[in-house]
Amino acid sequence: QKEVEQDPGPLSVPEGAIVSLNCTYSNSAFQYFMWYRQYSRKGPELLMYTYSSGNKEDGRFTAQVDKSSKYISLFIRDSQPSDSATYLCAMSQTSGSRLTFGEGTQLTVNP
Amino acid sequence: DVKVTQSSRYLVKRTGEKVFLECVQDMDHENMFWYRQDPGLGLRLIYFSYDVKMKEKGDIPEGYSVSREKKERFSLILESASTNQTSMYLCASSLALREVSGPQETQYFGPGTRLLVL
Repeated sequence: QKEVEQDPGPLSVPEGAIVSLNCTYSNSAFQYFMWYRQYSRKGPELLMYTYSSGNKEDGRFTAQVDKSSKYISLFIRDSQPSDSATYLCAMSQTSGSRLTFGEGTQLTVNP
Repeated sequence: DVKVTQSSRYLVKRTGEKVFLECVQDMDHENMFWYRQDPGLGLRLIYFSYDVKMKEKGDIPEGYSVSREKKERFSLILESASTNQTSMYLCASSLALREVSGPQETQYFGPGTRLLVL
């Protein structure tokens, strides 16, 4: 069983939709949670970073962490075609330590 | 702006060849990482390094070795390439564990090298 589970999709939505992306994990020692965005033929880039449980908002993006359920989410409001990418969740036990990644969810936002 | 560069975007090699993948970062980061990314498997850590001349095995080190002679450069070596090493290879770097406790410790990725072994 993988330490981090993420539905690979693909997920296709119309422009303006609210998108919900999710990961579940099994290791209760994870404390730092990240979402990376990866455009086609590019390396991943950090999108959101959260520590422990709670919500974090940055523009159209909201990250949620529920450690009791071992479940993290990324919400994208008013989705745009430029949001079309693969979204990877990642997590670590301590700051700066090695990351464990989900498989990534491929998202397409249609104009 | 952090910049992580990789020596090649695309490489085609033959089975049995020795392959070198080079990664250079310009932000004086202590930590450097090599991943491979495959459909259905996501990113898997091959090797990482916390300092010059130091290396640690990741989750899938078999068939690979690394070299870190200078702080800014981390090389991945395939001693004898095989077809099952066809993949996208991603290098990343980050600040040292002791110095930070926030998004500054984020791993910054290079653009990747797509390797095809025939």
